[in-house]
Amino acid sequence: NAGVTQTPKFQVLKTGQSMTLQCAQDMNHEYMSWYRQDPGMGLRLIHYSVGAGITDQGEVPNGYNVSRSTTEDFPLRLLSAAPSQTSVYFCASSSGPHEQFFGPGTRLTVL
Amino acid sequence: DAKTTQPNSMESNEEEPVHLPCNHSTISGTDYIHWYRQLPSQGPEYVIHGLTSNVNNRMASLAIAEDRKSSTLILHRATLRDAAVYYCILTGIKAAGNKLTFGGGTRVLVKP
Repeated sequence: NAGVTQTPKFQVLKTGQSMTLQCAQDMNHEYMSWYRQDPGMGLRLIHYSVGAGITDQGEVPNGYNVSRSTTEDFPLRLLSAAPSQTSVYFCASSSGPHEQFFGPGTRLTVL
Repeated sequence: DAKTTQPNSMESNEEEPVHLPCNHSTISGTDYIHWYRQLPSQGPEYVIHGLTSNVNNRMASLAIAEDRKSSTLILHRATLRDAAVYYCILTGIKAAGNKLTFGGGTRVLVKP
């Protein structure tokens, strides 16, 4: 199993550009989430999904969209990038409430 | 969500035990205690979880106070690879989307 994979590993955007961060898992997990981590801080939840076709907002959802058309994939879209969205983004998946598996992260810089 | 309090940092010598405390005085009866760690430049990694009883796994042990207002993660023999930020997180069994609320964690430095 590859676990949770994220692409790209690094990305530089200009203010106002849009892009999609990809996340995929091959463990048939129902639950998937997106977190962001700013320097020196803990992770904060952006959006999450409890199954294909079902998504909801987390703690810091503004400026981000998600969809979940398949169990495996959970892309995160930045609609119009802003410097405040410079961060490291982590995707996670789990089959239940206890053990979440995190991807390696995408480091995003918005100029 | 109930709040946890952890020391900002701790140091340990290699091959010695490390005891990481976590206070959670407002824990509810259905909150599980989870521990995750984050190695440098990596995503968080699940370590262990418990509800009331002490728990052991291949990575660590979790000791939970009888009143559940505090817990301690025990790394039995620290290695250099255990240098990481350790997060103590409370999660209700029915937390929406299995949401994890991360605090600042404890940065563990392991000296050779």
